[in-house]
Amino acid sequence: SQKIEQNSEALNIQEGKTATLTCNYTNYSPAYLQWYRQDPGRGPVFLLLIRENEKEKRKERLKVTFDTTLKQSLFHITASQPADSATYLCALGGNTPLVFGKGTRLSVIA
Amino acid sequence: DAGVIQSPRHEVTEMGQEVTLRCKPISGHNSLFWYRQTMMRGLELLIYFNNNVPIDDSGMPEDRFSAKMPNASFSTLKIQPSEPRDSAVYFCASSLASREETQYFGPGTRLLVL
Repeated sequence: SQKIEQNSEALNIQEGKTATLTCNYTNYSPAYLQWYRQDPGRGPVFLLLIRENEKEKRKERLKVTFDTTLKQSLFHITASQPADSATYLCALGGNTPLVFGKGTRLSVIA
Repeated sequence: DAGVIQSPRHEVTEMGQEVTLRCKPISGHNSLFWYRQTMMRGLELLIYFNNNVPIDDSGMPEDRFSAKMPNASFSTLKIQPSEPRDSAVYFCASSLASREETQYFGPGTRLLVL
């Protein structure tokens, strides 16, 4: 069955550093991958989409990579700020509805 | 745009009672999804509709769960009878039915079954 693993449940980094979150998957060949942000008490909010034929996608301080050989996506936040503290979810999509990972809770410490 | 609207935001009920969760998707969206989120299992898809028709309900845990979408602007998720293990946050999301759908989530309903 499909399995999605996000590298850790929680990640703490210092303000100004680059945060790197990992999403690994098995038994799946997604056509695209999405990243969402979820704040406490709220629903997930879409951030970025990257397709299987794209290596990298950027949006402001966010960067996503997608390696279909390694079956891995990396999500980077550069110059991190305390306001970036949230849970980040990766989701795989294709011919079936999105399948979500459990998320990584990021805390940016001032 | 008001976004996806869910009600109630919080529900506390006793085991055995019927629970009905409601969702109004974004106008113009023709796909609607019901999810359940827990710490242990993360975000799980329960059922999704396309043009008001249920497409895949394989995620519905038991016959105690049922969902309807009588029209394009309203959906319900019902649990009857409810059990303590149903305690979770239930999200509704909607999207345009495109291949690379971005899902727009509601604020969720936090359900506690005592």
